[in-house]
Amino acid sequence: EPEVTQTPSHQVTQMGQEVILRCVPISNHLYFYWYRQILGQKVEFLVSFYNNEISEKSEIFDDQFSVERPDGSNFTLKIRSTKLEDSAMYFCASSESFSGNTIYFGEGSWLTVV
Amino acid sequence: AQSVTQLDSQVPVFEEAPVELRCNYSSSVSVYLFWYVQYPNQGLQLLLKYLSGSTLVKGINGFEAEFNKSQTSFHLRKPSVHISDTAEYFCAVSGLGDKIIFGKGTRLHILP
Repeated sequence: EPEVTQTPSHQVTQMGQEVILRCVPISNHLYFYWYRQILGQKVEFLVSFYNNEISEKSEIFDDQFSVERPDGSNFTLKIRSTKLEDSAMYFCASSESFSGNTIYFGEGSWLTVV
Repeated sequence: AQSVTQLDSQVPVFEEAPVELRCNYSSSVSVYLFWYVQYPNQGLQLLLKYLSGSTLVKGINGFEAEFNKSQTSFHLRKPSVHISDTAEYFCAVSGLGDKIIFGKGTRLHILP
């Protein structure tokens, strides 16, 4: 079964450093998402991306965050200057369409900011 | 805007007993409803979804859920749980042309 893959699975970074989390969505999917799960809390929507641009973003997704689809397969989340509160599991997801269709999630990337 | 409420943060159940995980939603428009499972140290896996049609939806691993529009609920049930069902379960909702929103999750503890 096709799957969404994410790298790295775990990253430790110092506060203030830039981090790039990478995702390879399912190949025929057109919609891409990033979600975040702080330890012990619920999964929160960060951003959705379609047709090479952001279609929606949450209030969490401030100027420190950016997303990019640098080529035909990768979808990245960049955190420009990490803060302690950015420590979380970041999930990439993709779907064929934007509503009702199944959203497939990756295994997640654990980010620890120290 | 949609929202999801999972009333129970943790549910302990004896092995082979039935379980119900509660989920209520609020929405001003038609909704799509989902249950995802997160096993320890793993990602999110879709258990089942309701898009339209029959209100009783069957999913993987013997789980099912019933969409109740009048009570705005989408409770998840399994008639007999197994130790391998130990996980966090997330109810989620999306509207037409909208992102998916998750509840806070319910941790299912299976007791031997």
